[in-house]
Amino acid sequence: EAQVTQNPRYLITVTGKKLTVTCSQNMNHEYMSWYRQDPGLGLRQIYYSMNVEVTDKGDVPEGYKVSRKEKRNFPLILESPSPNQTSLYFCASSFLRGTREQFFGPGTRLTVL
Amino acid sequence: AQSVTQLDSQVPVFEEAPVELRCNYSSSVSVYLFWYVQYPNQGLQLLLKYLSGSTLVKGINGFEAEFNKSQTSFHLRKPSVHISDTAEYFCAVTPPQGGSEKLVFGKGTKLTVNP
Repeated sequence: EAQVTQNPRYLITVTGKKLTVTCSQNMNHEYMSWYRQDPGLGLRQIYYSMNVEVTDKGDVPEGYKVSRKEKRNFPLILESPSPNQTSLYFCASSFLRGTREQFFGPGTRLTVL
Repeated sequence: AQSVTQLDSQVPVFEEAPVELRCNYSSSVSVYLFWYVQYPNQGLQLLLKYLSGSTLVKGINGFEAEFNKSQTSFHLRKPSVHISDTAEYFCAVTPPQGGSEKLVFGKGTKLTVNP
């Protein structure tokens, strides 16, 4: 089944404790992206990647890191999480050509205390 | 740069009534347009998309949307809603090529269908 998977689905942590949210897709997509969803703000892009070893900042990159060592994986790293990073995070992927439809993972709900 | 405005943050309707969720966009270039749906505690699922051609686009679950270039709108409609349509709906745009390929989302419209 074609899908985007994220882990963990739920995470409660404390300020300053490094964490990683994994994202993996099995559709051979070149493009991958991370979004955060906050009430009243919709989805905002954090980082994106157009291929292996190619990443760039989105609209709200502060406090986040990403890497793209393999085509299928695009982990999101919070080196020192803060309470304002409490949010619902989505990973998405798509082909660079064609319809550009993005496929979304199920989301990771992060709470930073 | 593109931007998307969803004109209603919440839309309550009764079951079997028609509904229209409004979306306007701003862009200096042509765009692809999408509507996504997010059911409670789930990820986003594509409802329909407009790439080119016919301005009336049909999607899943009986939804349709009409692209109006002169009004830069892409409103979503359903003639008769069900309780199961209760969800949050997002309009999004992206340029057909070049740039960051990112989806620019509206802030969402929460549709609540009441019995």
